[in-house]
Amino acid sequence: KQEVTQIPAALSVPEGENLVLNCSFTDSAIYNLQWFRQDPGKGLTSLLLIQSSQREQTSGRLNASLDKSSGRSTLYIAASQPGDSATYLCAVKSRGVTGTASKLTFGTGTRLQVTL
Amino acid sequence: EAQVTQNPRYLITVTGKKLTVTCSQNMNHEYMSWYRQDPGLGLRQIYYSMNVEVTDKGDVPEGYKVSRKEKRNFPLILESPSPNQTSLYFCASSFRGGTEAFFGQGTRLTVV
Repeated sequence: KQEVTQIPAALSVPEGENLVLNCSFTDSAIYNLQWFRQDPGKGLTSLLLIQSSQREQTSGRLNASLDKSSGRSTLYIAASQPGDSATYLCAVKSRGVTGTASKLTFGTGTRLQVTL
Repeated sequence: EAQVTQNPRYLITVTGKKLTVTCSQNMNHEYMSWYRQDPGLGLRQIYYSMNVEVTDKGDVPEGYKVSRKEKRNFPLILESPSPNQTSLYFCASSFRGGTEAFFGQGTRLTVV
């Protein structure tokens, strides 16, 4: 059964700092890994998608890496801003229990606060 | 605009009163699923559908039903809601099972 862990659970940094969020998963047989952002009480916004054959993806100040063999991904945020404050969720898509379908397994997230 | 639309966004209901949360996507996606999000437990899959008339249980299906009569719609049905189903619900869709997932804005359900 796939399990996803995110460390740290919460993080507070001053504006302008670069930071790294970590995600680990137990089963390396994945289709892809997706990073989401969630603002309090809101929906999920997809940030980056890394296919299992890829090593990293970049979008603006965000860079996500994937090491499938070790079951790890990192989300790097450069020059953090107060507007980056949110919960960041890592989700792994892997084969479901039936063997035919796929499912997303989520970590419990890292709550990020960027202070002025 | 490509999107997944859930309705209602907020709902307060009483125990035992049947309700349906609708989900619709306009991207011609084959794969749709429902999740619930609870503090400390993260998002957990309730049901999923690989295509029209093909549905299966996720991790926490008890107390829920779904149907997939049309490709674009995937309603979540609570036949007899109970307080432990108070949660934030998300619908998601993707082109195929292994592709990028798109999420609706969520439905906050309170059962009293």
